[in-house]
Amino acid sequence: DGGITQSPKYLFRKEGQNVTLSCEQNLNHDAMYWYRQDPGQGLRLIYYSQIVNDFQKGDIAEGYSVSREKKESFPLTVTSAQKNPTAFYLCASSIRGSPLHFGNGTRLTVT
Amino acid sequence: AQSVTQLGSHVSVSEGALVLLRCNYSSSVPPYLFWYVQYPNQGLQLLLKYTSAATLVKGINGFEAEFKKSETSFHLTKPSAHMSDAAEYFCAVSDLNAGNMLTFGGGTRLMVKP
Repeated sequence: DGGITQSPKYLFRKEGQNVTLSCEQNLNHDAMYWYRQDPGQGLRLIYYSQIVNDFQKGDIAEGYSVSREKKESFPLTVTSAQKNPTAFYLCASSIRGSPLHFGNGTRLTVT
Repeated sequence: AQSVTQLGSHVSVSEGALVLLRCNYSSSVPPYLFWYVQYPNQGLQLLLKYTSAATLVKGINGFEAEFKKSETSFHLTKPSAHMSDAAEYFCAVSDLNAGNMLTFGGGTRLMVKP
């Protein structure tokens, strides 16, 4: 079955550490996205990539970095510069003209 | 710039009652509109989408939504709520000129009382 796999489901880190969230898709989708979800704020776009080796900042990119070396993979690094990193992170993918397909998310807690 | 407003962050209905979740959007171009559902600690699942065809859109699980251009609204309804409908619902808008970039509303948590 095709889909998006985000791992791990829960992640705990100490403040000041960088952490990388994994997102893998086997849907052969060109575009991939990272969203951050906070209670009452809906989803906010962090980064997106329309094609391999290219990506653009979304609305809240500060303190995050991404890479897109393979079509299937779009890892997100939450750096120590992100002031409030505790959140639920959602990865999505799509092909042109089709709705976004979401993974099941990673809940990151930084203490 | 696009925006989406969902009126009511929490909505409570009794089982069997009508479900109405409100969504208003602003967009400078004809939009695509979507409703997604999210169960606890899971990703978002597409309920239905409007892409400039029929204004009344039917989705999964008995939900439907009507696009009203004059009111810039895309409210989600279901005639009879079921306990399994308890979840968070998100309305989203996409600019046809911006590929699949979605702008989301703040979400509405639906609670269903027995």
